[in-house]
Amino acid sequence: DTGVSQNPRHKITKRGQNVTFRCDPISEHNRLYWYRQTLGQGPEFLTYFQNEAQLEKSRLLSDRFSAERPKGSFSTLEIQRTEQGDSAMYLCASSLKLAGDIQYFGAGTRLSVL
Amino acid sequence: QKEVEQNSGPLSVPEGAIASLNCTYSDRVSQSFFWYRQYSGKSPELIMSIYSNGDKEDGRFTAQLNKASQYVSLLIRDSQPSDSATYLCAVNMRGSNYKLTFGKGTLLTVNP
Repeated sequence: DTGVSQNPRHKITKRGQNVTFRCDPISEHNRLYWYRQTLGQGPEFLTYFQNEAQLEKSRLLSDRFSAERPKGSFSTLEIQRTEQGDSAMYLCASSLKLAGDIQYFGAGTRLSVL
Repeated sequence: QKEVEQNSGPLSVPEGAIASLNCTYSDRVSQSFFWYRQYSGKSPELIMSIYSNGDKEDGRFTAQLNKASQYVSLLIRDSQPSDSATYLCAVNMRGSNYKLTFGKGTLLTVNP
């Protein structure tokens, strides 16, 4: 499978716990985006990497959220001290540098915070 | 004013009919426009992109863009029950590092 891969697909956690999600983009794509989608809403931008550099973060990304892309390949999104309001689908997308707006999404990680 | 607006629906059409989905956006100099299809519980799937005024056709899908009116639409001809999904309009806005701004989506139901 050469598409965007996300793991885990589902995560159930208790409030206050930390969680980490992983995204493996399409191999030749150097741009990587994280979005969050809640029920009945479209995806909302969280953060963006070009290679290993994190170039933009949304104000939605509180200090409990951190994202990395250490070698310009896979990326991780960590949420510390989870809250019930963090329950959502976390989507990763990737694109080529020269066609940055043509983004392909992974299957997402659905987070449920109890 | 929301940046990208869509009628949330649901829009219900009979099988074989034309489904028309509409989207308006607020940033006059937005650069590129996309339609994604999202089945329930699944991730968005890119089905159309459009960059210039006019129509763009791909199979049963036609995207229409009118930058003067800040309006983009998607027509689905010969609608099939398998087209039943939420259709998300996404816009790449000026100076946005290519991040996409999405509408809430329109739920389309095609009745056999």
